[in-house]
Amino acid sequence: AQSVSQHNHHVILSEAASLELGCNYSYGGTVNLFWYVQYPGQHLQLLLKYFSGDPLVKGIKGFEAEFIKSKFSFNLRKPSVQWSDTAEYFCAVNAMGNTGKLIFGQGTTLQVKP
Amino acid sequence: NAGVMQNPRHLVRRRGQEARLRCSPMKGHSHVYWYRQLPEEGLKFMVYLQKENIIDESGMPKERFSAEFPKEGPSILRIQQVVRGDSAAYFCASSDGTASYEQYFGPGTRLTVT
Repeated sequence: AQSVSQHNHHVILSEAASLELGCNYSYGGTVNLFWYVQYPGQHLQLLLKYFSGDPLVKGIKGFEAEFIKSKFSFNLRKPSVQWSDTAEYFCAVNAMGNTGKLIFGQGTTLQVKP
Repeated sequence: NAGVMQNPRHLVRRRGQEARLRCSPMKGHSHVYWYRQLPEEGLKFMVYLQKENIIDESGMPKERFSAEFPKEGPSILRIQQVVRGDSAAYFCASSDGTASYEQYFGPGTRLTVT
């Protein structure tokens, strides 16, 4: 069965620190990859997505992610976090030909201290 | 440009009652996905519907849960005879079907079963 694993459940950083959140998936075929963010009290918003092409994708608010096919990974990065980045982050995978449903990781709670 | 609407935002039901959750997709979208988020877990796919059709219900519990997306009106997720384990946040997402893996999420309905 397809699955998505996020290695860090809870991350605490100080402002201006660099961020990397890990995401690995298990599926051998072609995939579409997503990172969603859920700010406190708000609904899920799409941060960035990878469908094809350049494996380094840039999203909103200075986030980027790199797809490494050989490692089945899609890690999220940000060079310098802000207090406003405090949120829950979800990695999600859609296996091509799989009706479009998303398989989510369990989420990572990021707390940024001012 | 209204996004995905869900109501109610919070729903409290006693064990044995029925819960009805509604989802109105974004304007122009005819594809709806339902996901459930249990405490401390990521989102789990439940069902994928197009107008008047269930396309993929592989994530739906076998009993007590049903979903519909009629020709007119919102999509409805119905839970009969609720139990405490049904307490969760239920999210709806919609897409336009041209790139069904790109989904836009609603704010969710938080169901509490007492």
